[in-house]
Amino acid sequence: SYVLTQTPSVSVAPGQTARLTCGGNNIGTKSVHWYQQRPGQAPLLVISYDTDRPSGIPERFSGSNSGNTATLTISRVEAGDEADYYYCQVWDSDRDHWVFGGGTKLTVL
Amino acid sequence: EVRLVESGGGLVQPGGSLRLSCAASGFTFSYYEMNWVRQAPGKGPEWVSYISLSGSTIFYTDSVKGRFTVSRDNAKNSLYLQMDSLRVEDTAVYYCARDAGSGTYSPFDYWGQGTPVTVSS
Repeated sequence: SYVLTQTPSVSVAPGQTARLTCGGNNIGTKSVHWYQQRPGQAPLLVISYDTDRPSGIPERFSGSNSGNTATLTISRVEAGDEADYYYCQVWDSDRDHWVFGGGTKLTVL
Repeated sequence: EVRLVESGGGLVQPGGSLRLSCAASGFTFSYYEMNWVRQAPGKGPEWVSYISLSGSTIFYTDSVKGRFTVSRDNAKNSLYLQMDSLRVEDTAVYYCARDAGSGTYSPFDYWGQGTPVTVSS
């Protein structure tokens, strides 16, 4: 089965840039979606199709995907971003399954 | 405003059954593919099931095949998940999520608030 690997935790100082990665075999050939989840809330789509930002999502959020790694970049990290989890998602066409990564917790120093 | 409201969760013994419902409003339900996603305590989301517009195409994650059945009633703007032979490891918050309908491998653009399911003796 297709596996997505995410670093469990990323720490960044306020105002700096956070780069969250999602690793998978030839993930660059797949469309990657990213979700933000705050405690007690449902996931929220923040990046679709590798790089597209849905309406209402701040420009601070951007994405890229190449080779074996997809990346969610959060610029100018704010204290309010603390404790959010981020999950990547792809469609495994070999098994007709959606797959989520294990998630990364963003810690603001 | 798009709204998805799940219901039907609760406490059930291993081997028991539950039927989850998801009431959709604020959009033309019959135009969108739908999914169920669950999240066990302290874990990330796990996709459970997908259903096409008419219900003619259905997919399940391996761990629920043969035990869970997804269905929809477009006339009632509702999505369902019949869960039988429940196991302790099925304990999770269950979300219904709308496929964005933006093409192949569309993301989930709207999620409900979730309904908790606890399987325990």
